[in-house]
Amino acid sequence: DTEVTQTPKHLVMGMTNKKSLKCEQHMGHRAMYWYKQKAKKPPELMFVYSYEKLSINESVPSRFSPECPNSSLLNLHLHALQPEDSALYLCASSSRAMREPDNEQFFGPGTRLTVL
Amino acid sequence: AQKVTQAQTEISVVEKEDVTLDCVYETRDTTYYLFWYKQPPSGELVFLIRRNSFDEQNEISGRYSWNFQKSTSSFNFTITASQVVDSAVYFCALRKTSGTYKYIFGTGTRLKVLA
Repeated sequence: DTEVTQTPKHLVMGMTNKKSLKCEQHMGHRAMYWYKQKAKKPPELMFVYSYEKLSINESVPSRFSPECPNSSLLNLHLHALQPEDSALYLCASSSRAMREPDNEQFFGPGTRLTVL
Repeated sequence: AQKVTQAQTEISVVEKEDVTLDCVYETRDTTYYLFWYKQPPSGELVFLIRRNSFDEQNEISGRYSWNFQKSTSSFNFTITASQVVDSAVYFCALRKTSGTYKYIFGTGTRLKVLA
């Protein structure tokens, strides 16, 4: 199984809602990532979990809250988002710890989020 | 400073034509990694290739080939006999061997292959 899955595929939420994005991989990967991608832009790194611990937070606003319940799962909890947070949210994983620069990341299909 | 430039914003070709996507990078590091990813309309980024800075051998994988030239800081990607399924956004990325190791992506090239 060489797949990263993400649910839901699409999400529309109001600015006062609380929602969660989910990501799952069963490749035994030990690093997992959240990216945000705006239209016609490259992905921007948000968070990195390495061995289930938060390793990197790229100065992301606290209205985004990541969680790694186990080595296969990664969540992104959303609360009080703004319309400018509308984007494609991509999850990725890699086989070894993030600080090994030669290991490629495998991406999920993303969740397309719209904040009204 | 680290930077990746993909000057071609969008390219359109007719099926079966060859097409080259350009990637030029800037880094002061002597060791680094370069990557190409494909992002089809479905959204996920698909890993295509990784190249380390010590390996300047060109690589061919089916219809895909990559030309790494350290002297010009370029890592170009050629698709031979393009197909409609090649339509996607292609990202070139640089990764350092120290620090956070995060990807420095180019802005991407949108390739449209017309039937």
